[in-house]
Amino acid sequence: EVQLVESGGGLVQPGGSLRLSCAASGFTFGTYWMHWVRQAPGKGLVWVSRISGDGSNTAYADSVKGRFTISRDNAKNTVYVQMNSLRVEDTALYYCARGGAFASHDYWGQGTLVAVSS
Amino acid sequence: DIQMTQSPSSLSASVGDRVTITCRASQSISSHLNWYQQKPGKAPMLLIYAASTLQSGVPSRFSGSGSGTDFTLTISSLQPEDFATYYCQQTYVTSTFGQGTKLEIK
Repeated sequence: EVQLVESGGGLVQPGGSLRLSCAASGFTFGTYWMHWVRQAPGKGLVWVSRISGDGSNTAYADSVKGRFTISRDNAKNTVYVQMNSLRVEDTALYYCARGGAFASHDYWGQGTLVAVSS
Repeated sequence: DIQMTQSPSSLSASVGDRVTITCRASQSISSHLNWYQQKPGKAPMLLIYAASTLQSGVPSRFSGSGSGTDFTLTISSLQPEDFATYYCQQTYVTSTFGQGTKLEIK
């Protein structure tokens, strides 16, 4: 059974940093793209970032480019997102998702909440 | 950036109704269009990818069509468990979601 479990969320001040983790199980992790998607309270879905199976290819939404860094450790079956220079507007539930056909997201975690506030 | 616009933003319907949700891209995205369903407090669930391919395990009352800039998600006969919010997503250039369509019980 595919499982994705996010962790690392919390309350942080504007300008601060946080690293989110997503532990995967139930599939051959290193052969799949992985994505981060966020959802502000009461709002819609926003794609954040993606990383290829071997970690060599990454992409970011314009809103986080230069501030967020996605990475993965295939030995630990874990994908990360390092979030720096956090802003109030980064407050959201952050989901990790497995990349499926046509870059869809066929499995999702339950999310980890990031709150940026002074 | 490619913008995705869904219509309507909200919709009231009854069990058994046929419902169509539309998604329009700001430029051609070929068939790189996916649809998701999200229920309150839950993670989204993939319904359809590549505009018209039903994800494994998704009921056949869901269908998708379109290519280029205009796409539709159709639910042929609404069931009680279908009342949720639906999102389209383009993956032609990185990724963008539509703003969502909330499907409510009439």
